[in-house]
Amino acid sequence: SYELTQPPSMSVSPGQTARITCSGDALPKQYAYWYQQKPGQAPVLVIYKDTERPSGIPERFSGSSSGTTVTLTISGVQAEDEADYYCQSADSRATYWVFGGGTKLTVL
Amino acid sequence: EVQLVESGGGLVQPGQSLRLSCTVSGFTFGDSAMSWVRQAPGKGLEWVAFIRSKANGGKTEYAASVKGRFTISRDDSKRIAYLQMNSLKTEDTGVYYCTRDNYDPFTGMDVWGQGTTVTVSS
Repeated sequence: SYELTQPPSMSVSPGQTARITCSGDALPKQYAYWYQQKPGQAPVLVIYKDTERPSGIPERFSGSSSGTTVTLTISGVQAEDEADYYCQSADSRATYWVFGGGTKLTVL
Repeated sequence: EVQLVESGGGLVQPGQSLRLSCTVSGFTFGDSAMSWVRQAPGKGLEWVAFIRSKANGGKTEYAASVKGRFTISRDDSKRIAYLQMNSLKTEDTGVYYCTRDNYDPFTGMDVWGQGTTVTVSS
């Protein structure tokens, strides 16, 4: 079955830039989406279609894509950005969705 | 206000059944595809099931882990999406989220409910 691979955790200091990667063989063919989830809350969509930001999401959140890897970048990280981040995409035939294992972002 | 409200979760024994409901308000449910996503305690997100709008054929898709046991359906007149879960296993335990799934135009799962908890235990 298809898998998306994310680093389990990362930590950054406030004001620094966090880059969270997600790798998968079908990513050159399928769009990626990113979700932020804080403890006890439902996930929130922060990036869609690899690079697009929904209304209401701060500009410090951006997405990029290169080959089999997509990246969520958070510029000027703030304490409130501490959360779990999940990438999501489809298999190569777009028959099912897959989520990455999630990355726990800690703001030092 | 755009809102999804899940209900129907609870404690059941292995092998039993449960039906989850997702009541929608604030947008045109009949035009929307929906997905169910679950999260086991302390674990990541897992997509479970998907249903297209009736205008797009109402096609359904399932994760391999639930195919043949779970059924997603919709009642557009009541604005409710359902997840019928049969032959439940302990590994089905978790929080189940209903989402609006904008698979096309590729704008993602942009609306989520607060989740309903399913516990499968003897």
